[in-house]
Amino acid sequence: DARVTQTPRHKVTEMGQEVTMRCQPILGHNTVFWYRQTMMQGLELLAYFRNRAPLDDSGMPKDRFSAEMPDATLATLKIQPSEPRDSAVYFCASGPWGEGRQPQHFGDGTRLSIL
Amino acid sequence: GENVEQHPSTLSVQEGDSAVIKCTYSDSASNYFPWYKQELGKGPQLIIDIRSNVGEKKDQRIAVTLNKTAKHFSLHITETQPEDSAVYFCAASLSYGGSQGNLIFGKGTKLSVKP
Repeated sequence: DARVTQTPRHKVTEMGQEVTMRCQPILGHNTVFWYRQTMMQGLELLAYFRNRAPLDDSGMPKDRFSAEMPDATLATLKIQPSEPRDSAVYFCASGPWGEGRQPQHFGDGTRLSIL
Repeated sequence: GENVEQHPSTLSVQEGDSAVIKCTYSDSASNYFPWYKQELGKGPQLIIDIRSNVGEKKDQRIAVTLNKTAKHFSLHITETQPEDSAVYFCAASLSYGGSQGNLIFGKGTKLSVKP
C-alpha cells in the first residue's frame, strides 16, 4: 500500500531551537495538508498545498511557523524558534484532487517535545 | 466556519455488541463526511466516507448514515471485535466538487471493546 512518510517520528529539543519536519506524500497526490494534534484542541489544520502552491495557512502561527513544498515529493514544516506550547503530534496528509476525489491519507506523525 | 461535535467521548462495549458514534455539523454547505480510526502511535486511517448525495453507506461491519436535514451523521460498527478498539474521528468538509480541501474534525471517541 502507498503511504505518506513522515520524518522524524520523534523529536525532542530545547526551547528556541529550530525544528524541521518532513513529509513525503503519496506519489500522484497533488494536495498536501499539515495538521497538529493535541489533547486539548484535537486535530487542527495548520496549512495545505495544492500542486505545491500554498492554498490556506490561516491555522498556522505565522511568526514562527513556515510550510513549503520544494518539490512534489517533499513537504516541510518548520518552527523557529520553538516553544514548549508547540509540543504536539504533527501529521501530514495527502490526497488526490478533482471532482469526486476526496480521501486524505495520513502519515504516522512526528511527535514533537519542546523542553 | 464549520464546527463538528462528536459524542460520546468514550464508549465501552462487549465483544460482539454494536457501537454507535454520532456527530453533528453546523454548516449546511458541508458535503463530505469521512470517518477515521486512530490506533496508538499511528496516524488517522480512513475507514469509510459518505457524500451528501447519499443517505447510507456500508462496508462489511461498518456503516455510516447521514441526515442532511438534521445535520448529523453516525458511524455504526456491528459485531465489534477487540481490534476495533481505537479512537474514532468524524470530520466534515466543504470540498466535494469545490475548492476548499480542509477537514474539520470532531474531538474523537475512544472505543474500548472488552473480550
